[in-house]
Amino acid sequence: DTGVSQNPRHKITKRGQNVTFRCDPISEHNRLYWYRQTLGQGPEFLTYFQNEAQLEKSRLLSDRFSAERPKGSFSTLEIQRTEQGDSAMYLCASSLKHAGPGGTEAFFGQGTRLTVV
Amino acid sequence: GEDVEQSLFLSVREGDSSVINCTYTDSSSTYLYWYKQEPGAGLQLLTYIFSNMDMKQDQRLTVLLNKKDKHLSLRIADTQTGDSAIYFCAEVPMEYGNKLVFGAGTILRVKS
Repeated sequence: DTGVSQNPRHKITKRGQNVTFRCDPISEHNRLYWYRQTLGQGPEFLTYFQNEAQLEKSRLLSDRFSAERPKGSFSTLEIQRTEQGDSAMYLCASSLKHAGPGGTEAFFGQGTRLTVV
Repeated sequence: GEDVEQSLFLSVREGDSSVINCTYTDSSSTYLYWYKQEPGAGLQLLTYIFSNMDMKQDQRLTVLLNKKDKHLSLRIADTQTGDSAIYFCAEVPMEYGNKLVFGAGTILRVKS
């Protein structure tokens, strides 16, 4: 399977704990995106990388959230001191070029569902 | 601002056509997309349309774009039970050229 891969698929954690998710994009894609999706809503943009550089962060991404893409390949998203409001599906996507004009489509992974209890 | 709107729910009978509608806000959006999400799964890109096109057809899928009204629709011909899912339209506003802005999704239920 050469699609976008996310691990774990599900994570249940206690409030206050830290969690880390991993995303492996399609190998030749240099752009990687993180989105968050809550029940009944469409995905909301969190952040994106071009190669190893994090180029944009949404205001949704509080100081408790940090994302890295150290070698321009896989990425991790860490949430510190989780809160119940962090419960959501976290989606990763990758694309060969930007998703805008002249760009190419983004392909999504199956997501990591986080439940904070 | 960023606000993509979709109707919440659509129910059709197997074999009928489905039409899912979407309105978007940013006239500068160059690409408009339709994604499908099945229960518990990620998003699958169905099709997209470039803003200088009025229509795009891909097998059972037809996308219509009305730029004047900022209205996008997805028609699924001969709808099957396997088409039951949530359908999201998304735009890439020029100002935010690096991210997709999604609607809240339309739940399509296909009755056999």
